Amino acid sequence: NAGVTQTPKFQVLKTGQSMTLQCAQDMNHEYMSWYRQDPGMGLRLIHYSVGAGITDQGEVPNGYNVSRSTTEDFPLRLLSAAPSQTSVYFCASSYVPLEAYNEQFFGPGTRLTVL
Amino acid sequence: RKEVEQDPGPFNVPEGATVAFNCTYSNSASQSFFWYRQDCRKEPKLLMSVYSSGNEDGRFTAQLNRASQYISLLIRDSKLSDSATYLCVVSQGGKLIFGQGTELSVKP
Repeated sequence: NAGVTQTPKFQVLKTGQSMTLQCAQDMNHEYMSWYRQDPGMGLRLIHYSVGAGITDQGEVPNGYNVSRSTTEDFPLRLLSAAPSQTSVYFCASSYVPLEAYNEQFFGPGTRLTVL
Repeated sequence: RKEVEQDPGPFNVPEGATVAFNCTYSNSASQSFFWYRQDCRKEPKLLMSVYSSGNEDGRFTAQLNRASQYISLLIRDSKLSDSATYLCVVSQGGKLIFGQGTELSVKP
């Protein structure tokens, strides 16, 4: 099993550019999510999905879109990059429900810089 | 008030020391509780779940006090390899809420 994979590992964008961060998992997990991590802020939830065709907003969704057309993939789209979106982005997946103590598996992260 | 609060540290301790981390959460409806470990610039990984009865895994002991909305992690006989950031995590409404993390540095 590859687990959770993310591409790219590093990315530099100019303000106003758009791009898609890719996330894929091969564990047949229903739940997938995107977090951003900034110094001193911990991980903050951007968007999440409990299954194909179902997505919902997290704590900091503005400026990001997601879709879940398959169980395996959960891409994160930056619509018009801003310097405030400079961060490390982690994708994670797990079985549901979270309340049943299901472990979250994280990808290696994407380090994004917006100039 | 943050939903999950931790002392950010850093905690600097010598090898062999015992160190305790505390975490408080604000929503009494939170249902499951975890400690994750994050090494520098790497992804978080599950260290241990925290159950109401308390649980132990080798040198690590986790406690939960639902009445006080408080979670703790005790590390005994610290090793150099324990140096990392420890994240307190709470499930709530189908989502996970992370604390900002407590940094631990174990020195020789």
